Amino acid sequence: QVQLVQSGTEVKRPGASVKISCKASGYTFSNYYIHWLRQAPGQGLEWLGLINPNDLTTTYAQSLQGRVTMTSDMSTSTVYMDLSSLKSDDTALYYCARDWGYGFEYWGQGTLVTVSS
Amino acid sequence: DIQMTQSPSTLSTSVGVKVTITCRASQSIDTWLAWYQQRPGKAPELLMHKASILENGVPSRFSGSGSGTEFTLTISSLQPDDFAVYYCQQYDVYPYTFGQGTKLEI
Repeated sequence: QVQLVQSGTEVKRPGASVKISCKASGYTFSNYYIHWLRQAPGQGLEWLGLINPNDLTTTYAQSLQGRVTMTSDMSTSTVYMDLSSLKSDDTALYYCARDWGYGFEYWGQGTLVTVSS
Repeated sequence: DIQMTQSPSTLSTSVGVKVTITCRASQSIDTWLAWYQQRPGKAPELLMHKASILENGVPSRFSGSGSGTEFTLTISSLQPDDFAVYYCQQYDVYPYTFGQGTKLEI
């Protein structure tokens, strides 16, 4: 069965960086884009960007341009999101999700990132 | 960016009632719209795509309609399991954007 398993909780200081992983299984990794989204406490969903594991092309949300990098490792079927220069506003639950072309049908369990001094 | 606006933000309702949630896009997205249900502490679950096509396993009491800029999600007879937050999302153009969510509460 399709699974997206994310790395664990992170606590970071303002200005630091965080790298979250999303390991895929149960399907052909190169066939589907992986997106990253986040949800601040008590808030709605924000789309952060995507990576095409097949050719490593990325598209990022303008709001995070320059601070976010998404990468992919075909050998381990794992996608990574690196977010730098963290601010308190970046405190959120971060999700990876598989895109089948008509929405996000599979989601990771979420990774809580807390940014606090 | 395409803005997605849902209404209402919160709906206090009861089991057995029919509810309708509206989602409006700031520009036409044809039927490139998905609906998600999110229960507390869980990741969102895809309910339907292309505005009206139910995902496998989604009960038939859920239905969707609309195209262009106006869409609706209808639950014909609310069940206890349906009390959750619902989001619409456009996947016509990047950046993908979501409505702010509609919370169904008892």
